[in-house]
This record gives sequence, C-alpha cells and structure tokens, in this order.
Amino acid sequence: GAVVSQHPSWVICKSGTSVKIECRSLDFQATTMFWYRQFPKQSLMLMATSNEGSKATYEQGVEKDKFLINHASLTLSTLTVTSAHPEDSSFYICSPKGQASTWATEAFFGQGTRLTVV
Amino acid sequence: LAKTTQPISMDSYEGQEVNITCSHNNIATNDYITWYQQFPSQGPRFIIQGYKTKVTNEVASLFIPADRKSSTLSLPRVSLSDTAVYYCLVGDNANQGGKLIFGQGTELSVKP
Repeated sequence: GAVVSQHPSWVICKSGTSVKIECRSLDFQATTMFWYRQFPKQSLMLMATSNEGSKATYEQGVEKDKFLINHASLTLSTLTVTSAHPEDSSFYICSPKGQASTWATEAFFGQGTRLTVV
Repeated sequence: LAKTTQPISMDSYEGQEVNITCSHNNIATNDYITWYQQFPSQGPRFIIQGYKTKVTNEVASLFIPADRKSSTLSLPRVSLSDTAVYYCLVGDNANQGGKLIFGQGTELSVKP
C-alpha cells in the first residue's frame, strides 16, 4: 500500500500558540488531501479537503482561519492549528488521495497526530 | 450519502469467528462497501472492499446480499491484536470526490 508519513505523532502546546502538522505521501502524488479530526471515543470527522495548489474547502462548522491548510506540493500538505485552545485537543489524521484513486481503491491515512493544548 | 448503522460494540474470545453487520438501506447503485480498522492512536487501515456477493482476502471476508442493503464483515479466528474499531463505509467517488464519511464504528474487544 501507499506510504503516508504524518508528523509529529504527538504534540503538547500552550494555549494561544500555533502548531503545525505535516503529512507526506512518500510514494505517490497526492492531488487531494483530506484532514480529519477525532475526539476521544468518537468517529473521524472530516474537517477540510484541499487540492494541490488550491485553497482548501472546509466542512461546516470548521473555522478556516483557525485551521490553516497548505497543499503547495503533490507530496506535502500541512495543517496549522492557530491560537490553539484546550478544546482543540484532539487526534488529527490526514488522508492523501491520488488522481487515479477511486472508490474502488483503498484510502490511505497518516498515523495521526495527538494534539494536547494546556 | 448512504447512512450506515453498525453495533456500537462487540465482545469475542480468541479463536472465535467474529461477524460484524452493517446496515445501509439507502445504498446507491454506484456505491461500494468498504471496511476500515482503527487501532487506538493510529489512522484507519483498509481491510476489505466489495460491491456484491462475497469478497475474501487474507484478512477477512465480506458478505453482501443481493439487495446490498447490508453487509457482514467476517474475521476468522480472531486474536487479541484484532481488538480495534471497525468502520463500514458506503459511497461512490463520483459523488463524493473521494472523501470518506465515517459512521460511529464497532468497537471490537477480543478477550483471552
């Protein structure tokens, strides 16, 4: 399967600071990147979708000015949580998709990033 | 998008066969059925995908009846390491652009 590297795997930050999460697709070109958030004991919730070189599309209720997504290359996308607050503490997961991917192919996910805001 | 319903949790013992059923009554003609597994603090991992009848791979089997309104993931002879959350997803790339909408999933606990 495809190799997806997400970094860091965990991070603790102070309230009011910003945190950047990186997601790399190591062996295929990710024309699209999905970012999910998962709170404890809950399912994954899609936050936003980004296409390489374009602005991200955010799901309803997700603040685009708070969760900055950069998808400047086909192998790297970043999610920056700006001015983090304790309620942003969650597990963030990326999922890159190549142009050839369809529903008849499996999706790949990063290892996830556990963010704790204190 | 087709809504899925799964049991919230299931318990099993090592060596048993586990069957997790997912209901998707409003599945569309072009929709595929895909199952993912998620361990704590990890991203989901693809298990199996099917469109109709039966699909089997080295990890699991997927049974889909003719009306496709439900599907059953079968895990043969589970071990402790199969303890995870299992998600059933239904969809079609043409309508969803590849994004996945996760339901609540089934938390499987395998005991010794």
